[in-house]
Amino acid sequence: NAGVTQTPKFQVLKTGQSMTLQCAQDMNHNSMYWYRQDPGMGLRLIYYSASEGTTDKGEVPNGYNVSRLNKREFSLRLESAAPSQTSVYFCASSEVPGNTIYFGEGSWLTVV
Amino acid sequence: AQSVTQLGSHVSVSEGALVLLRCNYSSSVPPYLFWYVQYPNQGLQLLLKYTTGATLVKGINGFEAEFKKSETSFHLTKPSAHMSDAAEYFCAVSEGYGGATNKLIFGTGTLLAVQP
Repeated sequence: NAGVTQTPKFQVLKTGQSMTLQCAQDMNHNSMYWYRQDPGMGLRLIYYSASEGTTDKGEVPNGYNVSRLNKREFSLRLESAAPSQTSVYFCASSEVPGNTIYFGEGSWLTVV
Repeated sequence: AQSVTQLGSHVSVSEGALVLLRCNYSSSVPPYLFWYVQYPNQGLQLLLKYTTGATLVKGINGFEAEFKKSETSFHLTKPSAHMSDAAEYFCAVSEGYGGATNKLIFGTGTLLAVQP
């Protein structure tokens, strides 16, 4: 009963380093999402993929890239990490509009 | 554009008291509305959602919310608070029927404290 799985759970990066957050869902969902959570700001959408083969920008896409590798997997890449990208990142998925959106457990990223 | 406003970033109630968490939304299309709960160091869990039909929606753990179109509100209530309800609560809106995706726009959250 895995649902949405994110890796890594914790990561510390130096400014300028790159890294990729991995996300996989086993519910055969069409849509996948990456959010970041910052204190007092709720969750903000970074990128989303409405279906396999498509990706679109959300509210805060600058500094990030995504890849919808297949229907199951949706990765988020930081090409040159900045301290402003210190945050908790959540991957999520849903089947169709109106259905429940399921979230992963989160990835805590610190950029020093 | 859609948006959500949660009134009160911190709410404190006594155990057994009524819980009321406020949410107002803005949407140019019929919305789908959600409440999520987040316990410390965990992901978000769906409490309840409104899509169409009955405007009073019941969720898990005794919570319910009422969609009021005229007031553009979707407030969350629970008649009697329990210590285990202490968590952060997020209201969210997405495009309704006919929307291409289910991407959610979240409010900034309300941290609920329950006093013994």
